[in-house]
Amino acid sequence: GENVEQHPSTLSVQEGDSAVIKCTYSDSASNYFPWYKQELGKGPQLIIDIRSNVGEKKDQRIAVTLNKTAKHFSLHITETQPEDSAVYFCAARDTGRRALTFGSGTRLQVQP
Amino acid sequence: DAGVTQSPTHLIKTRGQQVTLRCSPKSGHDTVSWYQQALGQGPQFIFQYYEEEERQRGNFPDRFSGHQFPNYSSELNVNALLLGDSALYLCASSRHYSTVSNQPQHFGDGTRLSIL
Repeated sequence: GENVEQHPSTLSVQEGDSAVIKCTYSDSASNYFPWYKQELGKGPQLIIDIRSNVGEKKDQRIAVTLNKTAKHFSLHITETQPEDSAVYFCAARDTGRRALTFGSGTRLQVQP
Repeated sequence: DAGVTQSPTHLIKTRGQQVTLRCSPKSGHDTVSWYQQALGQGPQFIFQYYEEEERQRGNFPDRFSGHQFPNYSSELNVNALLLGDSALYLCASSRHYSTVSNQPQHFGDGTRLSIL
């Protein structure tokens, strides 16, 4: 089955700096890669997703890149703000499977 | 437009008991997936329901069972509770992939289950 590894497990940045979280996946059939933000006491919130037919997608301060050959994808947050502090999860899924396979999460702390 | 709603928010049970958790999907969604999230870990897939049938199952014992109703809401049942079942149980809804491929899953805030 699919295996997703996520790094780093914790990340501390200063307000205004950029943050990058990286994930690798094992199943070359995976073609859908969402990112979720989870705040304390809440469920995961979808913040951006990318499909395997594109290499990059942006939404304001958030961008995701995908390298299918290397089987890795990354989340980039620019101009970080204290409200970006949360746990971020990457995930992967292929068309034939219905389940998302999640990484182990990155705790991002943005210092004011 | 209501998102995914789950009940109850918190639950305390003892070993050996049985529990039922409930989920109402986001409006327009017909597929419900259940995940278990242990403390400090990513969600782990339990199973998915579509058209009132279990369509896929993760690596969980048959103590975990579910149901989907005609209005697309769903229940997760766990029998013979173990201490290791303590976790956050998340429900996610989506439109079925046969309708539109790679539909995003939207999560509720979960039910925190504690086993004493």
